[in-house]
Amino acid sequence: EPEVTQTPSHQVTQMGQEVILRCVPISNHLYFYWYRQILGQKVEFLVSFYNNEISEKSEIFDDQFSVERPDGSNFTLKIRSTKLEDSAMYFCASTSANTEAFFGQGTRLTVV
Amino acid sequence: GQQLNQSPQSMFIQEGEDVSMNCTSSSIFNTWLWYKQDPGEGPVLLIALYKAGELTSNGRLTAQFGITRKDSFLNISASIPSDVGIYFCAGRRTNTNAGKSTFGDGTTLTVKP
Repeated sequence: EPEVTQTPSHQVTQMGQEVILRCVPISNHLYFYWYRQILGQKVEFLVSFYNNEISEKSEIFDDQFSVERPDGSNFTLKIRSTKLEDSAMYFCASTSANTEAFFGQGTRLTVV
Repeated sequence: GQQLNQSPQSMFIQEGEDVSMNCTSSSIFNTWLWYKQDPGEGPVLLIALYKAGELTSNGRLTAQFGITRKDSFLNISASIPSDVGIYFCAGRRTNTNAGKSTFGDGTTLTVKP
């Protein structure tokens, strides 16, 4: 079964450092998303991406965040200068025109 | 912003019992989704609902899209130990597959053998 793949599974970073979280969506999918889940809390939408541009973003997705689809397969989330409160699980998801979102297994980001 | 109120927050049940959980919103959603999340994993879609009043089953799971479009429920019949996990409802303003989903706070289900 096709799946969304995220790397790394766990990233520890110093406050103020830049991190890039990587995702390989399912190959024929067209819509890409990032969500985050702070430990013990609900899943929160960050950003959606379609046709090589951001289609929607939440209030959480401020200037410190950016997304990119640098080639035909990868979809990345960059946090420019991490803060302690950025510690969370970050989930990538993708959909096609005919399916609901498939979520990856997540990257656990720990900012120390 | 849009908020989903999901209840109950947690449930402890005996294997074989039926389970019911629900989600309500002050806003209308045109799509309701139910996900299950196991520890350390991403959410996995259980049921998607696209039409007010729709009742859909997936094995022992049944979900309904409320007539007002402001609520949905999920029932699990004859629970088994592998039903353990966190169940999230999610609503979407669009009735296509695109667009952000707003998640509820989750219902943590524990099933005692």
